[in-house]
Amino acid sequence: VHLVESGGNVVQPGGSLRLSCEASGFTFSNYVMHWVRHSPGKGLELVASVSGDGASPSYVSSVVGRFTISRDNSKNTLYLQMDSLRREDTATYHCARQRVAFHFDFWGQGTPVTVSS
Amino acid sequence: QSALTQPASVSGSPGQSVTIACNGSFSDVGSYNFVSWYQLKPGKAPQLIIFEVSHRPSEVSVRFSASKAGNTASLTISGLQAEDEADYYCCSYSTGKKILFGEGTKVTVL
Repeated sequence: VHLVESGGNVVQPGGSLRLSCEASGFTFSNYVMHWVRHSPGKGLELVASVSGDGASPSYVSSVVGRFTISRDNSKNTLYLQMDSLRREDTATYHCARQRVAFHFDFWGQGTPVTVSS
Repeated sequence: QSALTQPASVSGSPGQSVTIACNGSFSDVGSYNFVSWYQLKPGKAPQLIIFEVSHRPSEVSVRFSASKAGNTASLTISGLQAEDEADYYCCSYSTGKKILFGEGTKVTVL
């Protein structure tokens, strides 16, 4: 199993970024997938989640209306569209695979996002 | 929803044991056996070390063990080694189809 994130960058407040997570080594469409961010001051935070068929996205309240999670099962890729970025969104963003018992058995190494003027 | 509560840091000498508590509530840790623990090291992907309260993935050292009592889950690292120095996070399923993380604990090997 491999998860490889990309798309992180330095962006000004109010800007946008699109993160990608390429998956391999498993049947991607069979799994709920998540974006989890990690920042030294705030720890781990589950940002967005999507079901295997992409039909049931969910978000932490602080990103509702600004972030959109999606997936393309034909490309084995998970996405996170991040709009109206704020300084407090600065973090390393990891994609993670969820198992039935609500734990995350594989994670990517992460892609860094810095929101700064 | 509030994060699960963990101590900010714990430390121990090589060979000693350290225990990290993860305090939740009846809505999460107390009601579900879906507690997991993760090890985070700089520049590396987070690693699952415990799932379903006390189950350890095959690739994880037997020095890691965990349990739950009431609303509190605990992770114990036995025979502490330098390579165990990392941040550790607990995680629990919560009522309302939510998944909560703990605040994180920095383990220092003296």
